[in-house]
Amino acid sequence: GENVEQHPSTLSVQEGDSAVIKCTYSDSASNYFPWYKQELGKGPQLIIDIRSNVGEKKDQRIAVTLNKTAKHFSLHITETQPEDSAVYFCAASGTDSWGKLQFGAGTQVVVTP
Amino acid sequence: DVKVTQSSRYLVKRTGEKVFLECVQDMDHENMFWYRQDPGLGLRLIYFSYDVKMKEKGDIPEGYSVSREKKERFSLILESASTNQTSMYLCASSTSSGVINQPQHFGDGTRLSIL
Repeated sequence: GENVEQHPSTLSVQEGDSAVIKCTYSDSASNYFPWYKQELGKGPQLIIDIRSNVGEKKDQRIAVTLNKTAKHFSLHITETQPEDSAVYFCAASGTDSWGKLQFGAGTQVVVTP
Repeated sequence: DVKVTQSSRYLVKRTGEKVFLECVQDMDHENMFWYRQDPGLGLRLIYFSYDVKMKEKGDIPEGYSVSREKKERFSLILESASTNQTSMYLCASSTSSGVINQPQHFGDGTRLSIL
């Protein structure tokens, strides 16, 4: 089955700097890659997703890139702000029915003023 | 906005008890999922359901069962709770209509402690 690895496990950045989180996946049939943000005491919230027919997608300060050949995808946060502090999860889903997701282990991002 | 509601935020139970965790979604989604979240392990799928009365095992189904009698409600059951089931439990839902692989929407979780 699918296996998703996520790095780093913790990331500390100065406010205003960029943050990058990287994930690799094992199943070449995977074609959907969402990213979730989980704030303390809350459930994961979808922040951006990308499908395998697209190499890059942006939404304001957040971007995701996908390299299908290398089987890795990354989340980029620019101009980080204290409210970006959270745990971020990547996930991958294949072509089986019902959209099951395999999640990475998570990255704790801390943005210091 | 999609609303996924888990009945309890915190729950404390004793070893051997039968425990029910309830989840309700209000968007008429076909698919519902139960995950457990443990530090350093991410979210691991316990069970999912793609229709009323239908269920499929996820990656870690041992010690759990599920029930889906109505489309909006998905219950996770710990038949005989054990201390290694102490965890955060997250419910999610998604639609099957339109493009395959629609986003999953999560509840805020139930933190379950088994003593």
